[in-house]
Amino acid sequence: AQKVTQAQTEISVVEKEDVTLDCVYETRDTTYYLFWYKQPPSGELVFLIRRNSFDEQNEISGRYSWNFQKSTSSFNFTITASQVVDSAVYFCALSEVRSGNQFYFGTGTSLTVIP
Amino acid sequence: AAGVIQSPRHLIKEKRETATLKCYPIPRHDTVYWYQQGPGQDPQFLISFYEKMQSDKGSIPDRFSAQQFSDYHSELNMSSLELGDSALYFCASSSDFSSSYNEQFFGPGTRLTVL
Repeated sequence: AQKVTQAQTEISVVEKEDVTLDCVYETRDTTYYLFWYKQPPSGELVFLIRRNSFDEQNEISGRYSWNFQKSTSSFNFTITASQVVDSAVYFCALSEVRSGNQFYFGTGTSLTVIP
Repeated sequence: AAGVIQSPRHLIKEKRETATLKCYPIPRHDTVYWYQQGPGQDPQFLISFYEKMQSDKGSIPDRFSAQQFSDYHSELNMSSLELGDSALYFCASSSDFSSSYNEQFFGPGTRLTVL
């Protein structure tokens, strides 16, 4: 069973629009960590954010913001005023303490920002 | 800052050949993870090592083996290559096995093509 679900396979937005990427996770651990990575066409995985299960504070970093809600097991990612350079595949990932820290990735959301 | 180094970056092999992928973690990182990302798919965990010992095993085929050496670099050995082994192989390192919160730093990946 998929531990991390990214229901949006592909999203297209026009430059300067805001876009939210959804991530829903499943775990029985009380201690776990959530991540977002960006994978541009070049292929590397670029770290964006890490959040632990005890910290539900939302976070903003420039045009990026994250909304973590344990009640709905969601960790959504919003890009404000999108830019063409934001075009990439975005992965949400879960790491559980009891699973040896391996990452469980979602299937990714491919974001295309149209100029 | 030093990052995770993977070599080679690109590799082309024929079916039934063998391949060896190398990973050099960030200095002082003691844990290495290997992931396989097929075309259009999310990265899948293969195997991990902590202090030169295998710590966790994922969906790694029996044809593959891996080890971590005394200098903490790791090698993924792949034998009897199949077309389906064509993928991007990521290595990641972290510095604290006991704490999931530690971000895994990903290398740029090795793109393996099996013809």
